[in-house]
Amino acid sequence: NAGVTQTPKFRVLKTGQSMTLLCAQDMNHEYMYWYRQDPGMGLRLIHYSVGEGTTAKGEVPDGYNVSRLKKQNFLLGLESAAPSQTSVYFCASSYPEGDEAFFGQGTRLTVV
Amino acid sequence: GESVGLHLPTLSVQEGDNSIINCAYSNSASDYFIWYKQESGKGPQFIIDIRSNMDKRQGQRVTVLLNKTVKHLSLQIAATQPGDSAVYFCAENWADSSYKLIFGSGTRLLVRP
Repeated sequence: NAGVTQTPKFRVLKTGQSMTLLCAQDMNHEYMYWYRQDPGMGLRLIHYSVGEGTTAKGEVPDGYNVSRLKKQNFLLGLESAAPSQTSVYFCASSYPEGDEAFFGQGTRLTVV
Repeated sequence: GESVGLHLPTLSVQEGDNSIINCAYSNSASDYFIWYKQESGKGPQFIIDIRSNMDKRQGQRVTVLLNKTVKHLSLQIAATQPGDSAVYFCAENWADSSYKLIFGSGTRLLVRP
């Protein structure tokens, strides 16, 4: 039981490049979340999903897209990376509302 | 290196003392609250949770208090240890149709030996 696994752990992108961050969970959780964490700030919700095939916007969705084609996977895409997207990205999953969320180890993304 | 929490409010306590970390939440409709601990270079880890039909819940060395009237949460850590040094976040589960899990701004706890 690996919990929540994020791929990759580190990445450097050039401005304008695209990439996809993968989150995989093996706990059969319905809900999955993507957050970003900037220096000196808490976690801000980018997008989330309450079930396979569904996604919704969080607090800071602009510049990102997500997909939940399989229950265990939640993908975060950056179509055209910008330096402002330099951050640490965390994925989390949980059972339906009202339960703790389990977090991955984070992906450190630098856009130059 | 660790860059999280550089500008967060900091609580400095002596080892062995009790710590109290406070959090104001935003949504009066939130029905579930969680405290997370984040150590350097790691993702947040669950500490304790509380539902809106309770005002107090105790765990091992930790207690969470909920005051719905003023939308305030607190985390009390008894006999604080060096291993408690971390950034602490509260999170609220919005009970509207969105089911979003929203985090507060966080507090850095430093334990002095």
